Amino acid sequence: SQQGEEDPQALSIQEGENATMNCSYKTSINNLQWYRQNSGRGLVHLILIRSNEREKHSGRLRVTLDTSKKSSSLLITASRAADTASYFCAEGTSGTYKYIFGTGTRLKVLA
Amino acid sequence: NAGVTQTPKFQVLKTGQSMTLQCAQDMNHNSMYWYRQDPGMGLRLIYYSASEGTTDKGEVPNGYNVSRLNKREFSLRLESAAPSQTSVYFCASSEKRADISGANVLTFGAGSRLTVL
Repeated sequence: SQQGEEDPQALSIQEGENATMNCSYKTSINNLQWYRQNSGRGLVHLILIRSNEREKHSGRLRVTLDTSKKSSSLLITASRAADTASYFCAEGTSGTYKYIFGTGTRLKVLA
Repeated sequence: NAGVTQTPKFQVLKTGQSMTLQCAQDMNHNSMYWYRQDPGMGLRLIYYSASEGTTDKGEVPNGYNVSRLNKREFSLRLESAAPSQTSVYFCASSEKRADISGANVLTFGAGSRLTVL
């Protein structure tokens, strides 16, 4: 399978805590993206990091990328109940328009 | 602004029946995609179309066909449905974004839930 993997598969934290999820990808990437999916809905783009970047911030989101290990992590700081969702990484394969998604992390933030 | 519209939202088929899932986008995006989502498997790419007139296989193309009818529309056809094709299907479109150095960002539809009995 070309599909990358994310861990943990599920994460449950208290409101105000930080949430970290990790993604392992398989291809040679041009960029790596993170998406969020609320229950029963389509995915929504959160943040993108290019292959020549190591860290990116957007509001409460921080993404890191280690191309030598083919891994990325997404940190959500000061989590809120509204952050409860599934989070997916997507690898943008170099030279193609193909985007391969990971298996996802289900985050539950308890109020 | 509707974004990406998928029809139908729900469908129940019997094994062996055929059907077409429709997808249309109104954002003038060049690229379009079909994914399926199964529990514990995340999203898997079925087919994609980098631009009007081209289609390419993704990770799991067997049992499916696609048509890029025009720039707006990208349909997914199941010729002879099987229970293994029970899934939620997502269509997406993308464009190069100048604000992130020309990278493509996907916009998804709300999904089509298909059950094959």
